[in-house]
Amino acid sequence: KNQVEQSPQSLIILEGKNCTLQCNYTVSPFSNLRWYKQDTGRGPVSLTIMTFSENTKSNGRYTATLDADTKQSSLHITASQLSDSASYICVVRGQGGSEKLVFGKGTKLTVNP
Amino acid sequence: DAGVIQSPRHEVTEMGQEVTLRCKPISGHDYLFWYRQTMMRGLELLIYFNNNVPIDDSGMPEDRFSAKMPNASFSTLKIQPSEPRDSAVYFCASSLGLAGARQYFGPGTRLTVT
Repeated sequence: KNQVEQSPQSLIILEGKNCTLQCNYTVSPFSNLRWYKQDTGRGPVSLTIMTFSENTKSNGRYTATLDADTKQSSLHITASQLSDSASYICVVRGQGGSEKLVFGKGTKLTVNP
Repeated sequence: DAGVIQSPRHEVTEMGQEVTLRCKPISGHDYLFWYRQTMMRGLELLIYFNNNVPIDDSGMPEDRFSAKMPNASFSTLKIQPSEPRDSAVYFCASSLGLAGARQYFGPGTRLTVT
């Protein structure tokens, strides 16, 4: 069964600290993996999209890594800010004729001053 | 650009009533998606359209759910009759292209069925 597991479920860190969120998937065959940031009460916003051949992709203080062999991805946040408090959702797209998306449950990050 | 527009933002209705959620995608986008989000199940893709044509509705939970896209700038998701377990946040998203394309989400409609 195609699954996406994210860890931890929730995380609390102090402003200015770094953190890493994990995403493990079993979706196969694999097309791409996306990380979304979802602020409370708002729709998800795309942070990165990575294909099979990409190992690292950065978007400002956000850096996503992908190991397609072990089916693992991570999202590293550097020098966290209060505005980073949100849920981070990992979404994996399989291959096929239609949009087969498998969603993780998300990691809820809280950045405290 | 105003982004994806959804209405209403909040809907409270009684069980058995018909509910219609509305979405206006970003102009020029050729794909439109309807999602549902709950604490228990997270985000789920319900249905998506390409150039106003439904492509995959395998995520639609039951026949009580239906979606239409009469033109490139408008789509509806209808639940009839509604049930308490339909309570969730419903998101509409649009994109230009499919594989690898960035999807832009609307603010969502929070539906509560009592």
